[in-house]
Amino acid sequence: NAGVTQTPKFQVLKTGQSMTLQCAQDMNHEYMSWYRQDPGMGLRLIHYSVGAGITDQGEVPNGYNVSRSTTEDFPLRLLSAAPSQTSVYFCASSISLAGGVDTQYFGPGTRLTVL
Amino acid sequence: GESVGLHLPTLSVQEGDNSIINCAYSNSASDYFIWYKQESGKGPQFIIDIRSNMDKRQGQRVTVLLNKTVKHLSLQIAATQPGDSAVYFCAENSGGSNYKLTFGKGTLLTVNP
Repeated sequence: NAGVTQTPKFQVLKTGQSMTLQCAQDMNHEYMSWYRQDPGMGLRLIHYSVGAGITDQGEVPNGYNVSRSTTEDFPLRLLSAAPSQTSVYFCASSISLAGGVDTQYFGPGTRLTVL
Repeated sequence: GESVGLHLPTLSVQEGDNSIINCAYSNSASDYFIWYKQESGKGPQFIIDIRSNMDKRQGQRVTVLLNKTVKHLSLQIAATQPGDSAVYFCAENSGGSNYKLTFGKGTLLTVNP
């Protein structure tokens, strides 16, 4: 198993550009999520999904869209990039057992810079 | 130790010593807690978790202690090794939702040989 994969590893955007951060997992996990990590801020939840076709907002969803058409993929879309979205983005997945998130497996991250 | 909402604290220990990393949480409704390790340039890695119906849980060289009375969580690492050097985060299921984890800001552990 490759686990959780993310592409690209690095990306530089200009303000106003759009892009999609890709996330895929091959563990047949139901639960997937996106976090952003800023210096001194820990990880903050952007959006999450408890299964194909189901998504919900996390702590900082503004400026981001997600969809979950398959169990394996959970892309994060930036519609109009802003400098405030400069961050490191992590995707995570876990088996969604009854009552909990269980162990979350994180991808290697995408480092995004918006100029 | 760390607390959700504060700047990144640091802990420096000698190789072979035991390390204790602390975390204070504020939401009394949280009933699931996790410790993660993050090495430079990598994603967080699960270490150990604990549910609120337990006070202590042990893994390989790690122990997590939960004190619900004072809302405090700690991670103990026995016989710390240079490979343990990393940032350690605690996380809680804020408000009781297991799908919305709230992370602390982390503690940087440096192990000196």
